[in-house]
Amino acid sequence: NAGVTQTPKFQVLKTGQSMTLQCAQDMNHNSMYWYRQDPGMGLRLIYYSASEGTTDKGEVPNGYNVSRLNKREFSLRLESAAPSQTSVYFCASRDRGNEKLFFGSGTQLSVL
Amino acid sequence: AQSVTQLDSQVPVFEEAPVELRCNYSSSVSVYLFWYVQYPNQGLQLLLKYLSGSTLVKGINGFEAEFNKSQTSFHLRKPSVHISDTAEYFCAVIPYYNTDKLIFGTGTRLQVFP
Repeated sequence: NAGVTQTPKFQVLKTGQSMTLQCAQDMNHNSMYWYRQDPGMGLRLIYYSASEGTTDKGEVPNGYNVSRLNKREFSLRLESAAPSQTSVYFCASRDRGNEKLFFGSGTQLSVL
Repeated sequence: AQSVTQLDSQVPVFEEAPVELRCNYSSSVSVYLFWYVQYPNQGLQLLLKYLSGSTLVKGINGFEAEFNKSQTSFHLRKPSVHISDTAEYFCAVIPYYNTDKLIFGTGTRLQVFP
C-alpha cells in the first residue's frame, strides 16, 4: 500500500506566488489533516477534514485554504505565499475511532 | 481549546541511563493522550496511547507513560535508553468531544550519547 502520498517533496516560491500541495491516501480513512512543522514549534494543525465535504480550521489556518475533493484527496492551497509560510508541511490521515495517524513524507517549502 | 506543553525542548542523556520526557496539557474537557516519535528524516510513528483504564501505559521500544489527571500530565519514561532512541518525541491530545481534532505539543529532542 502507498499509504499517504504528498506532492511535491520540495518547492521554492517567491513571495506572492500561489501553489497547491496535494495529498492522497489509499486507506479509506475518514479524517485527513494538514500540519506544518517548524523548529521549536512542533507540529501545528492548519486544517483538518473529518469526512468528505467537510473541513475545519486548526490552530494556524490564516493564509491557507483547503479542499476535500473526495474521500482520498485533501489539498492545501497557499493563495499568496509569504516568507512566514516557509516550513515543512505534513499531510496525515486516520480512521475515526482509531488513533493511529498515518503521515505523508512531507513537503519542504521555502518562500523567498 | 486544548494545548500541549512539552517543557524540555532538548534532553541529552547517556546511553543506558533512564530518561523522562515531560508533557502537560490544558483542556476544559477530557482528552485522549498520545506520544509519537519522529526519527531523523522520517514521518511520525505512534509510540503509545492512553484512552482509558490503567493510568500506566506501555508502548513500543520499552517506553511507558503515566497519566496523571490531577496534574494534567502524561510523562514518557524509559529505564535505559539506547543510541537508536535519538529522535524527536511529540505528545498529543484528542478531545473527547471531537475525536477528529489532534493537537501536538512542541516536541522534545532526545539526544542519546555513547
